[in-house]
Amino acid sequence: DAGITQSPRHKVTETGTPVTLRCHQTENHRYMYWYRQDPGHGLRLIHYSYGVKDTDKGEVSDGYSVSRSKTEDFLLTLESATSSQTSVYFCAISEEWSGGGSEQYFGPGTRLTVT
Amino acid sequence: AQSVTQLDSQVPVFEEAPVELRCNYSSSVSVYLFWYVQYPNQGLQLLLKYLSGSTLVESINGFEAEFNKSQTSFHLRKPSVHISDTAEYFCAVSEWSGYSTLTFGKGTMLLVSP
Repeated sequence: DAGITQSPRHKVTETGTPVTLRCHQTENHRYMYWYRQDPGHGLRLIHYSYGVKDTDKGEVSDGYSVSRSKTEDFLLTLESATSSQTSVYFCAISEEWSGGGSEQYFGPGTRLTVT
Repeated sequence: AQSVTQLDSQVPVFEEAPVELRCNYSSSVSVYLFWYVQYPNQGLQLLLKYLSGSTLVESINGFEAEFNKSQTSFHLRKPSVHISDTAEYFCAVSEWSGYSTLTFGKGTMLLVSP
């Protein structure tokens, strides 16, 4: 299994509070991704990173920010959580750019509930 | 931009029966195609992929998919399913460009019963 961990694995928070999810990898892969998974929507890309301090927006980036200060860590922040952000969040990594055909390896997911 | 359609949200099947999970994509350029599988309470893992060459690709656990350019399809098949194949299957596509991200379909839940 690819060395990807996500923390926390479960979180319940209240509307309006800030939340940070962490993705940590031990594979030294360049590319990292954050997705959200919702019933009937499959996986949707939130943000991705192509190197330290290099990030870009995905399909559903509104309300989310990311940071990558080290190769191994990619943080996803919800500045002010809303109920619509209740979801399962997956981190993924790839050695080469996934749009070029490279396999993505997924973490175990974080289940976030915003009440 | 590319898109993926998985026509069935759920496919129930009996053990040892054949199964086909359908995937169609839309793109104006050449594409790479993938099938990922998600077992309950786990992340996704790659099942198989088509990059180029032979249009028929196989996985190590008996699944196969065929790239059909004229029908813009990449259907997943298995001649005989096991209970352990119960999972959600996602088709994904990316375009042959340096900046294309991976776009996933909405998933098909394969339910195998005895």
